[in-house]
Amino acid sequence: GQNIDQPTEMTATEGAIVQINCTYQTSGFNGLFWYQQHAGEAPTFLSYNVLDGLEEKGRFSSFLSRSKGYSYLLLKELQMKDSASYLCAVAMNTGFQKLVFGTGTRLLVSP
Amino acid sequence: NAGVMQNPRHLVRRRGQEARLRCSPMKGHSHVYWYRQLPEEGLKFMVYLQKENIIDESGMPKERFSAEFPKEGPSILRIQQVVRGDSAAYFCASSPSPSEKLFFGSGTQLSVL
Repeated sequence: GQNIDQPTEMTATEGAIVQINCTYQTSGFNGLFWYQQHAGEAPTFLSYNVLDGLEEKGRFSSFLSRSKGYSYLLLKELQMKDSASYLCAVAMNTGFQKLVFGTGTRLLVSP
Repeated sequence: NAGVMQNPRHLVRRRGQEARLRCSPMKGHSHVYWYRQLPEEGLKFMVYLQKENIIDESGMPKERFSAEFPKEGPSILRIQQVVRGDSAAYFCASSPSPSEKLFFGSGTQLSVL
């Protein structure tokens, strides 16, 4: 079976740094995605990692360790608008975007 | 450039009725996916379509559910004889090629009374 684990909920303060972890056990692997989803809105793409290491993009960074089945999303200089759900998803080896999602981490940023 | 458009945003049906969910992909995208999100669960893959072809429907329930993406017009996800367990958010996504990242619509929230 496919298993993606991430914390259900996290809280942080404006201006702080938060790390959202994701562990996975899947029958295939063709990269790991992070999406952001505000309540009632479309999930929007944040990052994609297929090789081990850190990818940095502005205030957001994502890390992958394939040997450990582990990824994290790092958000720096938190802003109130970062309050959202963060979805971790593994792409299967299908040649197309068949993604297996975790249940998402709800992040609440407080003043 | 408009994003992925789904309608309706909210759909209420009584048990036994039919539900039709529509998805217009982004301009230039010919690859469409449907995902379902049940309460307190992650998004789950249902089906992947290209124009006029179903490529992978391994996530579709065996009965009552069907999907199409005709040569002209939007992709349609059809649920016949809905039951309470079909209540969920249904998200459509599109991409310009099979290997490129997905762009999601805002979803259709289906409620079955």
